[in-house]
Formats: sequence, C-alpha cells, structure tokens
Amino acid sequence: GAGVSQTPSNKVTEKGKYVELRCDPISGHTALYWYRQSLGQGPEFLIYFQGTGAADDSGLPNDRFFAVRPEGSVSTLKIQRTERGDSAVYLCASSPGVNNEQFFGPGTRLTVL
Amino acid sequence: AQSVAQPEDQVNVAEGNPLTVKCTYSVSGNPYLFWYVQYPNRGLQFLLKYITGDNLVKGSYGFEAEFNKSQTSFHLKKPSALVSDSALYFCAVRDMRSNYQLIWGAGTKLIIKP
Repeated sequence: GAGVSQTPSNKVTEKGKYVELRCDPISGHTALYWYRQSLGQGPEFLIYFQGTGAADDSGLPNDRFFAVRPEGSVSTLKIQRTERGDSAVYLCASSPGVNNEQFFGPGTRLTVL
Repeated sequence: AQSVAQPEDQVNVAEGNPLTVKCTYSVSGNPYLFWYVQYPNRGLQFLLKYITGDNLVKGSYGFEAEFNKSQTSFHLKKPSALVSDSALYFCAVRDMRSNYQLIWGAGTKLIIKP
C-alpha cells in the first residue's frame, strides 16, 4: 500500500520567505508527527497530531512555525519569515495509534539561502 | 533525564561477517525501544521494536536486537552482513512522559565492505 508521502522533496527559498511543507499520511492513521533532522543527528520532534488537533506542539522552535491538519489526514507545516537556521530535512510520520511504530515519509529538504 | 546513546559514529564490517550496532538508553520505567534504518535520500524505515516479552527481538531484513535490562542496552545485530545493509541506523526509545514522543540516538553509519 501507499506509504507516507511528502511534497515537495526539495525546497529552496530565500531568507524571510514563507514556505509550506505537505504531508500525506498512510490512510487511516490517526496519529501524525513532524520532525526536523539536521545532518548527523537524529530526528528532532516538532509536533504531534491526534486526529485534527495538535496534541503536543512543544517541539516547535518558535512562533514562526505552525502546522495544521484540518480534516485529520493531510498536514501542512508552515514556516514564516524563514531563517538560514531553518535549513534541514523535515520529516513526517504517521501511525495507527500512539503505541504503534511510526512510518516515515522521505522528507522535504529545506534550504534557506 | 531520558536519553539514548549510540556510542559509535561509524561501524565497518566485511560482507558476510556478523555485525553489531550498539545502543544504550536511560529512561524511567519500562522502555519501549525501536530501531530504524535510513538509506540515502529515503525516509526512516522501521526495523524492529521491543515492548515486552522475549529479550531477543527479530525484525526486517534479517536484523535482530537483544534487550538487556541490566546493561540498559538494545544492540542491533545481524549474523551475516550484506553490502546493501550499508545505511544510517537510529535507535530510539519512547518518552515515557508523553507516551508518543521518541527520543532518538544520533545515529550510526554502517559500512559493509565487499
């Protein structure tokens, strides 16, 4: 079956611009997670959705970052006024429930010039 | 504090030899432990997990991991390495405070030489 998909696969933007990163989870998975991964490091938790609501957004680094999941399926991570330090691979994962393993998408590589 | 350590940045193994990728953890309570693999330009793929039960857990692609409570370790193993096993391997433990967040190790690069 189809796995988690993320678009775009690569995004290059200029400092100060706004970007949106999209995640399509596995159908039927209620839990959705966003992570950020820098080179040579493990994923860093950003936000967790259970259904439509953000159950935990404690990992979002600041108020420039925001994520939505309006219908409990597709999620969009939004970054305002991007900074060079936002450059990383943004990973999305989904799972049938919180006690299950997480299935990851291929990631979106964001480069802020 | 809860943490996961992968003490080796890189592990080199000859094809056909057994491999071990080390992971130690520090959590309060009973840990839920995971191994994931990341191939270049691809997402993290789940390999195996330990929740409870047998200490030896078998997973995908012939990998297995042994949970050792006294040593707080969850080393990943494979009896005979393949060149195609070359990838980045991550150990993770579920954060018992949140019940869903994973605490990740920094990763170990596994290189299998023909």
